[in-house]
Amino acid sequence: GAVVSQHPSWVICKSGTSVKIECRSLDFQATTMFWYRQFPKQSLMLMATSNEGSKATYEQGVEKDKFLINHASLTLSTLTVTSAHPEDSSFYICSARALAGNAGTQYFGPGTRLTVL
Amino acid sequence: GESVGLHLPTLSVQEGDNSIINCAYSNSASDYFIWYKQESGKGPQFIIDIRSNMDKRQGQRVTVLLNKTVKHLSLQIAATQPGDSAVYFCARGNSGGYQKVTFGTGTKLQVIP
Repeated sequence: GAVVSQHPSWVICKSGTSVKIECRSLDFQATTMFWYRQFPKQSLMLMATSNEGSKATYEQGVEKDKFLINHASLTLSTLTVTSAHPEDSSFYICSARALAGNAGTQYFGPGTRLTVL
Repeated sequence: GESVGLHLPTLSVQEGDNSIINCAYSNSASDYFIWYKQESGKGPQFIIDIRSNMDKRQGQRVTVLLNKTVKHLSLQIAATQPGDSAVYFCARGNSGGYQKVTFGTGTKLQVIP
């Protein structure tokens, strides 16, 4: 089946630093990738939709200048948390949608655990 | 507003019994409803989906039922196994646009050996 990877799987950083998370579709091309955030014991909240070669579409309440998204190719999207603070500590999950198919063919990555000290 | 919510936060089931996880939704404009399984520390795993013009769909050991009259969705797991222990999310998707998926709040399934 289709595989989506994320790197790193976990990261610990100091407050004020920036952290980049990569999301890759390993065996398929993804025109659209999605970034979610999940706090403990809560559901996944969509942060933004990333389309290859164009600007990301952010959900209401998500600061686009804080969460920079780049979708440079059909297999790679990156999320950069700029000037991270402890409240940004969360589980960040990406998903990738194959070129064809319905919403059920959205494949999720394993997630990245971010801890900001 | 649009939302997908669950009735119960935790469900405990004896191994071998059938599990039923329920979900209510408020927005009728969805094209698909999807069930995901999430194990601790991992990303969601697709289980099964159902188009809004269907009322039942079966997979391997799983059945999803959709009742559009009362806006209710359920996931039935037959012969529940310890490996089924996880958090289950219902979600809705739209076939138009970027096909965003909106997740519900999740139900934790605990399988008792």
